[in-house]
Amino acid sequence: GNSVTQMEGPVTLSEEAFLTINCTYTATGYPSLFWYVQYPGEGLQLLLKATKADDKGSNKGFEATYRKETTSFHLEKGSVQVSDSAVYFCALKGSAGNQFYFGTGTSLTVIP
Amino acid sequence: GAGVSQSPSNKVTEKGKDVELRCDPISGHTALYWYRQSLGQGLEFLIYFQGNSAPDKSGLPSDRFSAERTGGSVSTLTIQRTQQEDSAVYLCASTLSVYSYEQYFGPGTRLTVT
Repeated sequence: GNSVTQMEGPVTLSEEAFLTINCTYTATGYPSLFWYVQYPGEGLQLLLKATKADDKGSNKGFEATYRKETTSFHLEKGSVQVSDSAVYFCALKGSAGNQFYFGTGTSLTVIP
Repeated sequence: GAGVSQSPSNKVTEKGKDVELRCDPISGHTALYWYRQSLGQGLEFLIYFQGNSAPDKSGLPSDRFSAERTGGSVSTLTIQRTQQEDSAVYLCASTLSVYSYEQYFGPGTRLTVT
């Protein structure tokens, strides 16, 4: 079946530090992969996506590359800001069916 | 334009009571999803609707849970005879269609069963 496993949190970083949040997946076929972000007091929103192997999704300085050989979609940012403090969810949508599968979320706090 | 809205934002109920949670999707979005987020857990899929097609109810955890979508717009999730383990945040999301990649989430309803 389809599932997503992401890095346990919480993660605390100083401003301008490098961020990696690990995400691996299990899926049949060729899923599409996503990172969603939930800022404090707000609903989840799409941060970036990749729909086929080797695609790189990017937005707001965040990047993630769809690696089929390692079944991974790790989220990275070179220099985090206080405003990046949020909960980040890795997700996939299978190539068959219309359900989305989400990880447990990783809480990030960036301190000045 | 208006995003996805959910009501109530918070609901406290006694064990054994029925509750109804409401979701208003973005106008024109034909697909609507319900999820449950329990403490420390990811988003658990419950059900989705696509247009006039039969809903996919495969994620509903028991027959105490049901949902309907009237007129292809507003949806109501009903939990009968609530149990303490039903306490969670219930999230609704809509997409342009089930083939769309981007889900638009509402702010959620926090349900507490005492």
